Amino acid sequence: GEDVEQSLFLSVREGDSSVINCTYTDSSSTYLYWYKQEPGAGLQLLTYIFSNMDMKQDQRLTVLLNKKDKHLSLRIADTQTGDSAIYFCAAADNYGQNFVFGPGTRLSVLP
Amino acid sequence: DAGVIQSPRHEVTEMGQEVTLRCKPISGHNSLFWYRQTMMRGLELLIYFNNNVPIDDSGMPEDRFSAKMPNASFSTLKIQPSEPRDSAVYFCASSLSGWGAFFGQGTRLTVV
Repeated sequence: GEDVEQSLFLSVREGDSSVINCTYTDSSSTYLYWYKQEPGAGLQLLTYIFSNMDMKQDQRLTVLLNKKDKHLSLRIADTQTGDSAIYFCAAADNYGQNFVFGPGTRLSVLP
Repeated sequence: DAGVIQSPRHEVTEMGQEVTLRCKPISGHNSLFWYRQTMMRGLELLIYFNNNVPIDDSGMPEDRFSAKMPNASFSTLKIQPSEPRDSAVYFCASSLSGWGAFFGQGTRLTVV
C-alpha cells in the first residue's frame, strides 16, 4: 500500500521562505494534498495538486510535484508566526478515497 | 455549510464504560472517514464509508470498536468497553470524490 514520509521538524525565521518536503511510494496516487493543523484543532485542507500537474500556486503557497521521484513540496513565502503548525502531506487514489497521511512536519517560526 | 460537526468535543469516561462519538458530515459528501490521533502513533485511519457502506475497516483496533452510518448525514463510532489506551483525539472527515477530506474539530477522549 501507499506510504507517505515527511521530515518531522522545520524551523525558519519570520519573513523567510519555508519548504516542507514529502515523499510517497505509490505512483498511481492521483490526488496529493497539504493540510495544516494548529494546536487543539482539526486538519485544515490548505491546497491540493493532481498528479498530471507539476506546480500549483495559491497566494503565499507553492506546491511542486516531481512525479518521477514521487516527491511533493510545499513552499510558504514570507513565513509568519501564524504559520507555526503541523503540516501533513496526504495522497489519495484515483477515486479520491483511501487517503494516506504522512506523520506531519512541525513548523516553528522564530521571530 | 457549517463543515463537519463532531460531538462531544471532550469526553472523560471511566474504564469499562461505553463511549459513543458522533459525526455529521458535510451535506452532499459521499465518503466519511474516522481517524484517531495520538502522539505515539500519529494519525491512523480507523474506517471509511462510501455512500454509507463501510469500505475498509482494517484500521479498527479490535472488536471493542464499531462504527455505523445509518444515513448520509450521520455516523457513530462506539467503543465498548473503553480502556485507558483508547485515550486519543478522534476525528471524523468527509469528502466528495477527489476534492480532499474535510475534518471536524475532533473529540478528545480520555479514559481513566
